[in-house]
Amino acid sequence: EDKVVQSPLSLVVHEGDTVTLNCSYEVTNFRSLLWYKQEKKAPTFLFMLTSSGIEKKSGRLSSILDKKELFSILNITATQTGDSAVYLCAVERAGGTSYGKLTFGQGTILTVHP
Amino acid sequence: DTGVSQDPRHKITKRGQNVTFRCDPISEHNRLYWYRQTLGQGPEFLTYFQNEAQLEKSRLLSDRFSAERPKGSFSTLEIQRTEQGDSAMYLCASSWTFQADTQYFGPGTRLTVL
Repeated sequence: EDKVVQSPLSLVVHEGDTVTLNCSYEVTNFRSLLWYKQEKKAPTFLFMLTSSGIEKKSGRLSSILDKKELFSILNITATQTGDSAVYLCAVERAGGTSYGKLTFGQGTILTVHP
Repeated sequence: DTGVSQDPRHKITKRGQNVTFRCDPISEHNRLYWYRQTLGQGPEFLTYFQNEAQLEKSRLLSDRFSAERPKGSFSTLEIQRTEQGDSAMYLCASSWTFQADTQYFGPGTRLTVL
């Protein structure tokens, strides 16, 4: 059974702070790890990390994957109130019909105060 | 709007009733996924289709749950004899085959069982 554990479960910061969200995983035949942002609606895709792409960056958000230690982090610098959301981590297996089938963690609730 | 759509957005039903939800994927996507999300948890995979073929249904929560995608376009998820524990958000997503990072989620159907 694949497993994804995120920490912390919730985080409260002030605008301008930098936050680090953690995701550890156990998966048979790992293919990719994905990060999503969810604001009271559907999850929206942020990053996908694979063996060939272990570091991604987009604006104030960045993520790295440590395949040896089986974890990933999502960093958000200079946080804004619009970053307040649930951040979800998910893993994907490789092989046959497993492609695309995601196992999610429970999420980290980030609250950014003005 | 060319995104994934789901109908209805909210459903309130009494215990023991049957409910059916519909998902319309992005038109050129041949994979369609159903997830369930309960409060404070990440989405949980239920089943998925490639075109009209249901590739896995072992994760459907019980034999009260069934899903169809009769012509490889829209899909329906039916829950028979609903129970209070079925109350959750039911999310649909679609993607190109093998491309997890293009898995786009719909807005979800929130089910409340009284």
